[in-house]
Amino acid sequence: NAGVTQTPKFQVLKTGQSMTLQCAQDMNHEYMSWYRQDPGMGLRLIHYSVGAGITDQGEVPNGYNVSRSTTEDFPLRLLSAAPSQTSVYFCASSPGTRFQPQHFGDGTRLSIL
Amino acid sequence: AQSVTQLDSHVSVSEGTPVLLRCNYSSSYSPSLFWYVQHPNKGLQLLLKYTSAATLVKGINGFEAEFKKSETSFHLTKPSAHMSDAAEYFCVVTLGGATNKLIFGTGTLLAVQP
Repeated sequence: NAGVTQTPKFQVLKTGQSMTLQCAQDMNHEYMSWYRQDPGMGLRLIHYSVGAGITDQGEVPNGYNVSRSTTEDFPLRLLSAAPSQTSVYFCASSPGTRFQPQHFGDGTRLSIL
Repeated sequence: AQSVTQLDSHVSVSEGTPVLLRCNYSSSYSPSLFWYVQHPNKGLQLLLKYTSAATLVKGINGFEAEFKKSETSFHLTKPSAHMSDAAEYFCVVTLGGATNKLIFGTGTLLAVQP
């Protein structure tokens, strides 16, 4: 049982480049989300989805796009990378109610030069 | 609005001594509260959760937390620290309503000295 799988684990980009961070879960969870983790700030919500075809913005959505065409996948796109987007990105999923804990991937460490 | 405050950014204990990591929350709803642990270069793992059942919640690896509504606190404790407990710990509250959005505290880094 793989849980939540994130790829790649590490990535270095140049300013202005675009890329997609992949997230896949095999637990048939309805709810998926993306967070970024920066030192001293905990995790902040970027975008989330309550089901296939439905996405919404979180706390820090600027510079990122998401889509949810299937229940399993929830990719995060950086449109034009900026140094301020250097961070560790985590994808999470849960069955969908606020009483259920979320399952996290191991993260993608992204550096923007 | 919901918020979470972890009162200590760093805590250092000796192996075999008790652990106390403090968390206060603010919520307009009856909250769901969680503690997660993050080991270096890893994702977050659930330690325990409170969802309005028993106020004393037992989690994995000997950790427990007590929900105190009058104090708006949800402190994490363990009677005897182990070297493997060294990690960062996050207190988390879930927003009410139809979503499952989480609000994270800024984390407490626990060091365990031999």
